[in-house]
Amino acid sequence: EDKVVQSPLSLVVHEGDTVTLNCSYEVTNFRSLLWYKQEKKAPTFLFMLTSSGIEKKSGRLSSILDKKELFSILNITATQTGDSAVYLCAVEGNTGNQFYFGTGTSLTVIP
Amino acid sequence: DVKVTQSSRYLVKRTGEKVFLECVQDMDHENMFWYRQDPGLGLRLIYFSYDVKMKEKGDIPEGYSVSREKKERFSLILESASTNQTSMYLCASSLEGAGANVLTFGAGSRLTVL
Repeated sequence: EDKVVQSPLSLVVHEGDTVTLNCSYEVTNFRSLLWYKQEKKAPTFLFMLTSSGIEKKSGRLSSILDKKELFSILNITATQTGDSAVYLCAVEGNTGNQFYFGTGTSLTVIP
Repeated sequence: DVKVTQSSRYLVKRTGEKVFLECVQDMDHENMFWYRQDPGLGLRLIYFSYDVKMKEKGDIPEGYSVSREKKERFSLILESASTNQTSMYLCASSLEGAGANVLTFGAGSRLTVL
């Protein structure tokens, strides 16, 4: 059965901390792994990863994929209160544009 | 700016009512999806469509139907709403292509069934 597992389920940190969010997967015919940020609205796209070992970076956020060990991490450095959100990991399989989602990691950044 | 628009952000309905959730995208995407999102369960796929008048069941289609009469519009229908359908409903779309695709989401429709 195809599945995506995210950890931790929730996290509370202080502003300025660095956090690492994890996403492991077992998906047949892997095509890509995507990270989204969801505040109280639509999930917004952060990164798409298709190749192992190549870091994607956007400001204080970065992500990397390990296709051998079947996981990805999302790092946020120097966290701010605006980073508080649910972070979703999704894996696209190669059949009919199926996307498999994890349950998300809820991040709370306190001042 | 590309968009997926869901017509209703918040709805309150009574048990047994028929409910329509509308979704429109302006990106000329072939694929459209309806998910429901519940705490602790993540996003679960209800239905998706890869072309006009085409539809495929997702993981939890029971109690739902869909309609795609035009490429840009994908509707989710609850024929007879029940309290266990109280949830956040997210519409999304993506391109059909050989490469990897990004799902673009609408803002969501929070449905409460009393």
